[in-house]
Amino acid sequence: KAGVTQTPRYLIKTRGQQVTLSCSPISGHRSVSWYQQTPGQGLQFLFEYFSETQRNKGNFPGRFSGRQFSNSRSEMNVSTLELGDSALYLCASSPRVGGTDTQYFGPGTRLTVL
Amino acid sequence: AQSVTQLDSQVPVFEEAPVELRCNYSSSVSVYLFWYVQYPNQGLQLLLKYLSGSTLVKGINGFEAEFNKSQTSFHLRKPSVHISDTAEYFCVVAPQGGGNKLTFGTGTQLKVEL
Repeated sequence: KAGVTQTPRYLIKTRGQQVTLSCSPISGHRSVSWYQQTPGQGLQFLFEYFSETQRNKGNFPGRFSGRQFSNSRSEMNVSTLELGDSALYLCASSPRVGGTDTQYFGPGTRLTVL
Repeated sequence: AQSVTQLDSQVPVFEEAPVELRCNYSSSVSVYLFWYVQYPNQGLQLLLKYLSGSTLVKGINGFEAEFNKSQTSFHLRKPSVHISDTAEYFCVVAPQGGGNKLTFGTGTQLKVEL
């Protein structure tokens, strides 16, 4: 099976712009979660989607949003980018939403905000 | 809410020596516990997980961890490390019934030297 894929792998934006990141889960996985990884804050949970519905949300401002499509692919959007949004954004997929399944992580999208 | 403390940010160790990476957690609800590893230039992958039952869990690559409820700890051990174990190790918790909302520790960089 192909692993979790994320596109693009690298992205450079300027402050005030918006960005959309994409995640394709492992085939058959219906839960997709997003995480932000920075040197200062570490890995932080953004949100989780299952069957096109947001099931969990972390403590991020409303500028961070996401959605999931009927084929389980997910996108996250960050509007009005700030310098502090520079980070590695990781997507993870699992078959279910129960919390006991292994999360399979993608390679990440490295976002740099100038 | 949950929090995870990894007591050592870096652990240097010689090859074939034993190692223990320490992890303590705090939670108002019961949790599932995980250790994930991030090898250089690779994505995060699951080492092992504790869901219930025996408090000693075995994972991949010879790693094991012991859940101690009274001390709220989940320390990771390996009796003899190899150069290829050099990586960053994350202790992770997920609330039972809380979906896939993972809370990560700050990570421990394990550096295995010859």
